Amino acid sequence: EAQVTQNPRYLITVTGKKLTVTCSQNMNHEYMSWYRQDPGLGLRQIYYSMNVEVTDKGDVPEGYKVSRKEKRNFPLILESPSPNQTSLYFCASSATLGVFTDTQYFGPGTRLTVL
Amino acid sequence: SQKIEQNSEALNIQEGKTATLTCNYTNYSPAYLQWYRQDPGRGPVFLLLIRENEKEKRKERLKVTFDTTLKQSLFHITASQPADSATYLCAPLNQAGTALIFGKGTTLSVSS
Repeated sequence: EAQVTQNPRYLITVTGKKLTVTCSQNMNHEYMSWYRQDPGLGLRQIYYSMNVEVTDKGDVPEGYKVSRKEKRNFPLILESPSPNQTSLYFCASSATLGVFTDTQYFGPGTRLTVL
Repeated sequence: SQKIEQNSEALNIQEGKTATLTCNYTNYSPAYLQWYRQDPGRGPVFLLLIRENEKEKRKERLKVTFDTTLKQSLFHITASQPADSATYLCAPLNQAGTALIFGKGTTLSVSS
C-alpha cells in the first residue's frame, strides 16, 4: 500500500530537549516536504527536498533542520524546541513538483506539544 | 507577495444542494491549482488538479473551474451529502514551482 508514515504520532516534550520526527514514504517519490498546521494560519511549509541531498527552506524554517540521505526518509529535527513550535506537523511526498506535477500524499500527522 | 484566499471560513448547506467554494490568488499566475480535503486531525487528501490551460475539470460529483482572468478557482460539490462535511483546501503551485501554497481552507458542513 502506498503511504507516508510519520513517527511519533503524538509527542509531549520540554523546552530545549532535542527531538526528531521521522517521515518515510514507500512510493519512490523524489519530492518531500514538511508542513506545520496551526489554527487560523493553515498549512505552512517548513522545508522541502527535491531529491536526495537537495533540501531548501520553506516559509517557516526557523528552529528546524532536515536531512535527506535516502530517497525514502526525510526526518525533521528540532534541535532546541520552544513552546511556539507546538503544532500539528505533516510530512508529504510527491513523485515530482513543478509543471509536470503529481499529487502530494500526506502522512497522518504528528501532534507536538512543547512545554 | 503571492497570496491565496479562500473566501469563506465556513459554509453550511443542506443535503442535496450544491456547495461552491472559492479560492482567489493574487500577485502571480500559477501553472496549476490543486484541491484537497482534510478531516479533523488527519492529513489532507488530494481531490483534483486543474492546469492553467484548462477551464474545468470533473470527477464524479466534484467540479473545479479555473479562471486565470479573474485569478480564481471555484470548487463545486453537487448533490452534497453529510459525508462531504470536511475542510477543503486550495493549493496553487508557487511562482518558483517549488511548493504548493495552501489556503486556510473552507469548512463545509452538510446537514441532513
